[in-house]
Amino acid sequence: QKEVEQNSGPLSVPEGAIASLNCTYSDRGSQSFFWYRQYSGKSPELIMFIYSNGDKEDGRFTAQLNKASQYVSLLIRDSQPSDSATYLCAGYTSGTYKYIFGTGTRLKVLA
Amino acid sequence: EAQVTQNPRYLITVTGKKLTVTCSQNMNHEYMSWYRQDPGLGLRQIYYSMNVEVTDKGDVPEGYKVSRKEKRNFPLILESPSPNQTSLYFCASGDRGHVEQFFGPGTRLTVL
Repeated sequence: QKEVEQNSGPLSVPEGAIASLNCTYSDRGSQSFFWYRQYSGKSPELIMFIYSNGDKEDGRFTAQLNKASQYVSLLIRDSQPSDSATYLCAGYTSGTYKYIFGTGTRLKVLA
Repeated sequence: EAQVTQNPRYLITVTGKKLTVTCSQNMNHEYMSWYRQDPGLGLRQIYYSMNVEVTDKGDVPEGYKVSRKEKRNFPLILESPSPNQTSLYFCASGDRGHVEQFFGPGTRLTVL
């Protein structure tokens, strides 16, 4: 069974700090990776996607992909209380058109 | 406004009573998908569709049916619901499978 694994948390960080969220995946056929944010009772919304090894930055967010280690991470700089949510990591395999989601990491940013 | 809509948003039903959850998108997306979300298990893909009349099973298709007769609509059908199908369901659509999916607001289903 192909999997995406995340630590469920909660991960607590003080306001203004860097939050580091991690995910590992087992399917080497996965080509694209996504980070979604989900507030309680709401639908997931995309933060970033990445498909090349290395870093990708967008505002306060940086996604990192290491295909050799099968590892994806999301860094949130200058964390705000409004960033408190569950962060879902997902992998996509174009050969199967399937998405596999991790169970999510709950982030708490303390004011 | 670009969006994915789902109906109903909340549904309580009884075992064995057929139901349909509708999903519609107005973004002309080719890819549509259904997920269920359960505590501790995350989002799991039920079915997906790459285009009209083209559908395939995700990881948890048992007990569900779908159809894609038009590009904008992708209904989820539970022919004989059972209590283990009590869950939060999301429909999503995307332009192509490797870029972002836009999620609907979710349907909370309870099967008694």
